[in-house]
Amino acid sequence: AQTVTQSQPEMSVQEAETVTLSCTYDTSESDYYLFWYKQPPSRQMILVIRQEAYKQQNATENRFSVNFQKAAKSFSLKISDSQLGDAAMYFCAYRSAPQPKNFNKFYFGSGTKLNVKP
Amino acid sequence: IAGITQAPTSQILAAGRRMTLRCTQDMRHNAMYWYRQDLGLGLRLIHYSNTAGTTGKGEVPDGYSVSRANTDDFPLTLASAVPSQTSVYFCASSDEHRVVKGNQPQHFGDGTRLSIL
Repeated sequence: AQTVTQSQPEMSVQEAETVTLSCTYDTSESDYYLFWYKQPPSRQMILVIRQEAYKQQNATENRFSVNFQKAAKSFSLKISDSQLGDAAMYFCAYRSAPQPKNFNKFYFGSGTKLNVKP
Repeated sequence: IAGITQAPTSQILAAGRRMTLRCTQDMRHNAMYWYRQDLGLGLRLIHYSNTAGTTGKGEVPDGYSVSRANTDDFPLTLASAVPSQTSVYFCASSDEHRVVKGNQPQHFGDGTRLSIL
């Protein structure tokens, strides 16, 4: 089974600064998809950004971008110009390429708690 | 507003009691999931359903059961609650009809905080 590792249980960043959250995964598959979810204190799980493994270009969504290193099996999230509202738990997730009639499971990391200091 | 509705939001339950957590989605997603979230462990899959009428076991299925009578509803039942089932439970769904687009994310409900005493 695939495993997803987030080695930083907690991180802090100063408001307006940049922070990078790390995620590594273990897989023998060549085609898969990666996601970052944000969970604020409200407990909602909010999709932040997604990356297809077959794409070499790193995904970007406004202040959020990823550094996808397929050979290293690394998928880090960079948050630029950090805002107080970015404070949350962040989860990295992996899924295999869809297979018809087969279940497609998402594998989640254990999460990184991000604190944003004013 | 389209999405996933979970009920109750929170519940305190005596050990040994039976409890059903409700989950309803209005996005017509074919796949649904139940996770439990525990500190330091992330989200662990309990049960899933590919489509109405079918269910499967996830990573931590013991003590839980599910049913999928229709597309929209996916209740999770604890037949006889034990303190180790104290957790936050999330229901999720995804559109797996789009087999050519694996980048479809899972959509989550707001969770149910369950405490077993």
